[in-house]
Amino acid sequence: KAGVTQTPRYLIKTRGQQVTLSCSPISGHRSVSWYQQTPGQGLQFLFEYFSETQRNKGNFPGRFSGRQFSNSRSEMNVSTLELGDSALYLCASSLVSGNNYGYTFGSGTRLTVV
Amino acid sequence: KQEVTQIPAALSVPEGENLVLNCSFTDSAIYNLQWFRQDPGKGLTSLLLIQSSQREQTSGRLNASLDKSSGRSTLYIAASQPGDSATYLCAVTSGTYKYIFGTGTRLKVLA
Repeated sequence: KAGVTQTPRYLIKTRGQQVTLSCSPISGHRSVSWYQQTPGQGLQFLFEYFSETQRNKGNFPGRFSGRQFSNSRSEMNVSTLELGDSALYLCASSLVSGNNYGYTFGSGTRLTVV
Repeated sequence: KQEVTQIPAALSVPEGENLVLNCSFTDSAIYNLQWFRQDPGKGLTSLLLIQSSQREQTSGRLNASLDKSSGRSTLYIAASQPGDSATYLCAVTSGTYKYIFGTGTRLKVLA
């Protein structure tokens, strides 16, 4: 059974550019959540999607957005990149929203903004 | 506002030792608690999931307990091995389903 797949694994972007990260959940999982991990702030929740609808959003600026497709795959977009956006972005999938089944995380996308 | 704390922040032990990692949370109204390990530069690997109605879960050499009333969970690792070296994170869900993570315990097991 394939796990959660995130692409790309590594990304280097310049300030002001935009970036799109992709996450394919475990087959059958309909909930996808995104987290940002930095050395200073630890793991912080970005947003959760379930059945193509955003269920929950963390405390991040509007430059961070996401969407989910009918096959449950999700993309996260960051516009007008800043140096502080450099982080490991983790995607997690769950069978349903509400998290009774816990989360399975992907390996992450390491974004470096220069 | 839910806050999750993990103590100690770092731990170094000789191989073979039994050890306990601690996780505390401020709001006892949680749905569940999950323990993860993270190897450097990698994603999170789920270790144990404890539902709010449960008191403990076991998997191999790992045992996690949950005491909701006191806002505490412990992860017990028996007979530690160098391969156990990683950062251990606990996370709780309450209210809006999102995970609130602790800051982690960085474990090093010396051969």
